[in-house]
Amino acid sequence: AQSVSQHNHHVILSEAASLELGCNYSYGGTVNLFWYVQYPGQHLQLLLKYFSGDPLVKGIKGFEAEFIKSKFSFNLRKPSVQWSDTAEYFCAVNADGGATNKLIFGTGTLLAVQP
Amino acid sequence: DAGITQSPRHKVTETGTPVTLRCHQTENHRYMYWYRQDPGHGLRLIHYSYGVKDTDKGEVSDGYSVSRSKTEDFLLTLESATSSQTSVYFCAISAETGSSYEQYFGPGTRLTVT
Repeated sequence: AQSVSQHNHHVILSEAASLELGCNYSYGGTVNLFWYVQYPGQHLQLLLKYFSGDPLVKGIKGFEAEFIKSKFSFNLRKPSVQWSDTAEYFCAVNADGGATNKLIFGTGTLLAVQP
Repeated sequence: DAGITQSPRHKVTETGTPVTLRCHQTENHRYMYWYRQDPGHGLRLIHYSYGVKDTDKGEVSDGYSVSRSKTEDFLLTLESATSSQTSVYFCAISAETGSSYEQYFGPGTRLTVT
């Protein structure tokens, strides 16, 4: 079965620090990849997605992610975090070729940015 | 927010009682999903629908049933609630954008089973 691993469960950074959150998936075929963010008390919102083309994907709020097929990874990055980036971040994968658009989510990374 | 609403937003119920959660969308999307979110588990798919009266199980479907009699409504039923079903439940739709798609989520329902 497909799975998604987020190895960093809880990350604490100071404002202006750089961020990289890891995401690895287990499926060897064609995948569609997503990063979602959940601010405290809110629902999930899409940060960015990868379907094809340039493996470096830029999303909203200055986030980007790089798809490295050989490493089965889709790590999320931001050069300089802000206090407002405090949230939980989820990586997700679709591996059924878009037949049902089902997503498999990682367990999430809780990011706390200290002012 | 893709026009997704969930009701109720909060519910407390007793073990053994039936509970139905409603998801309503206004944009005629074909695919709808029910997830539960629990600390340390992320989001896990309960059931999904690919059209009216067309549903299928997700990874954690035991103890849950769903129905979709209209495009806009997707109901999740706990036939006999248990404490292990205390969770936050999110409904989602899949919106196609050109050659790709993305899921949009509703505001969630916090369910407590006592």
